Amino acid sequence: KAGVTQTPRYLIKTRGQQVTLSCSPISGHRSVSWYQQTPGQGLQFLFEYFSETQRNKGNFPGRFSGRQFSNSRSEMNVSTLELGDSALYLCASNQLGGTGELFFGEGSRLTVL
Amino acid sequence: QQQVKQSPQSLIVQKGGISIINCAYENTAFDYFPWYQQFPGKGPALLIAIRPDVSEKKEGRFTISFNKSAKQFSLHIMDSQPGDSATYFCAASLSDYKLSFGAGTTVTVRA
Repeated sequence: KAGVTQTPRYLIKTRGQQVTLSCSPISGHRSVSWYQQTPGQGLQFLFEYFSETQRNKGNFPGRFSGRQFSNSRSEMNVSTLELGDSALYLCASNQLGGTGELFFGEGSRLTVL
Repeated sequence: QQQVKQSPQSLIVQKGGISIINCAYENTAFDYFPWYQQFPGKGPALLIAIRPDVSEKKEGRFTISFNKSAKQFSLHIMDSQPGDSATYFCAASLSDYKLSFGAGTTVTVRA
């Protein structure tokens, strides 16, 4: 069974640009969560989607948004990039949502210059 | 405001030794406490998890000890091996699909 797939794995952007990251969850998993990982702040929850509905959102500005499609694939978008947005963005899937094991992808490493 | 505090930031242990990582939480409503292991270039992977109605859980060389009254839980890695060298994260959550992670502990096992 294929794991969680994130694309692209690496990308470089400049301040003010926007970026879209993609996540394909494990087949059959309907919940997708996004986390930001930085050396200073660690792993921070961004948002969680289940059956195309956002159920929870972390404390990030409105520049961070996401969506989930009917096939459970998810995208997150960051607009008007700032230097501080440089991070590893991790996607995780879970079969039914709620507590339980999260299966993480390898992440998309974003560098903002 | 970090809801889960983890210590130490890093530790070095000899092969065969015991690694101990401690976490403390504030929110008494948390009802799920997992530990994740992360290798460089990889995403975190679930190692072991516990719920507050249990004081200890063991899986192979990994044991979680949970102290509800002290709002603390810890991970013990017995007979540490070089392959255990990784970053370990404790976490906690309500039944709301959101994990609050500790800052992480980098474990180095010396052969």
